[in-house]
Amino acid sequence: DTAVSQTPKYLVTQMGNDKSIKCEQNLGHDTMYWYKQDSKKFLKIMFSYNNKELIINETVPNRFSPKSPDKAHLNLHINSLELGDSAVYFCASSHQGVLAVTDTQYFGPGTRLTVL
Amino acid sequence: KQEVTQIPAALSVPEGENLVLNCSFTDSAIYNLQWFRQDPGKGLTSLLLIQSSQREQTSGRLNASLDKSSGRSTLYIAASQPGDSATYLCAVPGYSSASKIIFGSGTRLSIRP
Repeated sequence: DTAVSQTPKYLVTQMGNDKSIKCEQNLGHDTMYWYKQDSKKFLKIMFSYNNKELIINETVPNRFSPKSPDKAHLNLHINSLELGDSAVYFCASSHQGVLAVTDTQYFGPGTRLTVL
Repeated sequence: KQEVTQIPAALSVPEGENLVLNCSFTDSAIYNLQWFRQDPGKGLTSLLLIQSSQREQTSGRLNASLDKSSGRSTLYIAASQPGDSATYLCAVPGYSSASKIIFGSGTRLSIRP
């Protein structure tokens, strides 16, 4: 019954590797997001997709590439991982999208990425 | 059911003024409270996060306070600048995890040069 799920929950990898994080929502929402949470617990949006279309792409290195095969899935692929990529990555979804500021966003449990 | 309210809905002040944004929530059993900023057409940027055991958090010109017993939080902005113009939202998570975050309606702040 999980609304927004992410896999894996933990990811430990070496610098330079390529890895992916998967996200799925079963809420029927149109919009999905990827956020990065830094060590101070601050959430910063990275990408947003509405109906499989990229609508927000913040200043994120090209090594990060989101992919949305359908509106229920938004995966995050990271190439050539660096130490600074270590963080918790949250996926979220909402019914309408970022233009509807009152729309409740449902967050996944997060993926803790550790780059060694 | 948790409800989060922000008053006023919009605020316009001249540059340089100090100002306070208000947030109230109906259920005081919260894990934390976050203040976000949203620029038009952009996603949310977290400004401050106050844990339920804390009373305030400061970051630069921003100071957020939390009074759980009264169900209130305030965001104080000192020496406002035109670049502070944005919508400010407060949000509280669900009971057991951050899987659902409930946002307030937001205060649209405009700083006049």
